[in-house]
Amino acid sequence: EVDLVESGGGLVQPGRSLRLSCEDYEFTFGNYIINWVRQAPGEGLEWLGFIRSKTDGGTTEYAASVKGRFAISRDDSRRIAYLQMNSLKAEDTGMYYCTRGHYSSGWGQGALVTVSS
Amino acid sequence: DIQVTQSPSTLSAYVGDRVTITCRASQSISNLLAWYQLKPGKAPKLLIFDASKLESGAPSRFSGSGSGTEFTLTISSLQTDDFATYYCQQYSSYCPWTFGPGTRVEIK
Repeated sequence: EVDLVESGGGLVQPGRSLRLSCEDYEFTFGNYIINWVRQAPGEGLEWLGFIRSKTDGGTTEYAASVKGRFAISRDDSRRIAYLQMNSLKAEDTGMYYCTRGHYSSGWGQGALVTVSS
Repeated sequence: DIQVTQSPSTLSAYVGDRVTITCRASQSISNLLAWYQLKPGKAPKLLIFDASKLESGAPSRFSGSGSGTEFTLTISSLQTDDFATYYCQQYSSYCPWTFGPGTRVEIK
């Protein structure tokens, strides 16, 4: 059961930018934290950051590995969250997931990002 | 930052075995811990949240326990469908949130 759908992945050169989208089919999307999580090839899960609900201020938190390069935003009217990724590096290659809630009760199938020249 | 460790990193077991995976946090996170199951090519699946609450739809053979810094995930009778990699994640009030390194459960 896929609750969320990520899109926007692809092949990108180092140093360039890419924006991922996450569309949620949950009508109460606006009530939830939306997280972004990634899995590099052969590696484990890495939490990248989240955006709080507007009710809780709509503020963001990030992992040190992406802070200053990645930015999360949301459009509650369209039930979409975004991950803007700038200054991409080879080590950013991986499968990117958006998830819903503090304990990630909903996941997408992921978007594959490959950073390579 | 709160560090999260898991043990063992790999576990070999027979169908029908009772298996336990341990997750430890570097400081107290109360009960703010979740467990996930990952299989290749599939979306991750939430099994347990708030350390011991079974997610709706997760099989009842999965259970979680613990609080503070030490937590366990138990599979009471391992089934073929359970061979996968399991991750714990802390979501305490202290960011960044962190995942454990994972435990791969293999067929013996």
